[in-house]
Amino acid sequence: KAGVTQTPRYLIKTRGQQVTLSCSPISGHRSVSWYQQTPGQGLQFLFEYFSETQRNKGNFPGRFSGRQFSNSRSEMNVSTLELGDSALYLCASSPPISGSAGTDTQYFGPGTRLTVL
Amino acid sequence: GENVEQHPSTLSVQEGDSAVIKCTYSDSASNYFPWYKQELGKGPQLIIDIRSNVGEKKDQRIAVTLNKTAKHFSLHITETQPEDSAVYFCAASKGGSYIPTFGRGTSLIVHP
Repeated sequence: KAGVTQTPRYLIKTRGQQVTLSCSPISGHRSVSWYQQTPGQGLQFLFEYFSETQRNKGNFPGRFSGRQFSNSRSEMNVSTLELGDSALYLCASSPPISGSAGTDTQYFGPGTRLTVL
Repeated sequence: GENVEQHPSTLSVQEGDSAVIKCTYSDSASNYFPWYKQELGKGPQLIIDIRSNVGEKKDQRIAVTLNKTAKHFSLHITETQPEDSAVYFCAASKGGSYIPTFGRGTSLIVHP
């Protein structure tokens, strides 16, 4: 089975611009979570989508948004970029637990390295 | 909410030595504890996990122990090799639709 894929792998933007990152989960996985990883803050949870609905949300400003499509692929968008948004953005997908809609084990993609100048 | 503390933040060992990384959690309802290994330029990869109905789990040179009473769990790596050098993250989750909470990571350096 192919793993989680993320595109693009690297991105350079300037302050004030907006950016869209894409994630394709492992086939059969319906839950997709997004994380921001920085050296100072570790892995910070952004949001989680399940069946095209945002099910969980972290503590990030409204400039960060996401969506999920009917094929479980997900995108996240950051508007009005700030220097502090420079980070590795990770996507993780989770399989359904037998008999329930659990997220349980997460499988991460390689991430998108965003640099804001 | 859940809080996960991970120690040490950096661990330096000689090849062949053992390495131990410890995590504590705050929410007694947490019942799933995965460990991830992140190599440079890659995303975190699940290496082992344990559920609250088990006290210890082993997979070759890697083992994880869980003490639910004390709310702590540990990763043990025996006979370390240079390729074990990476950042290791622990996490705690209540399962279901709950999102896991991650520790801050441990940078393991194995010197040949």
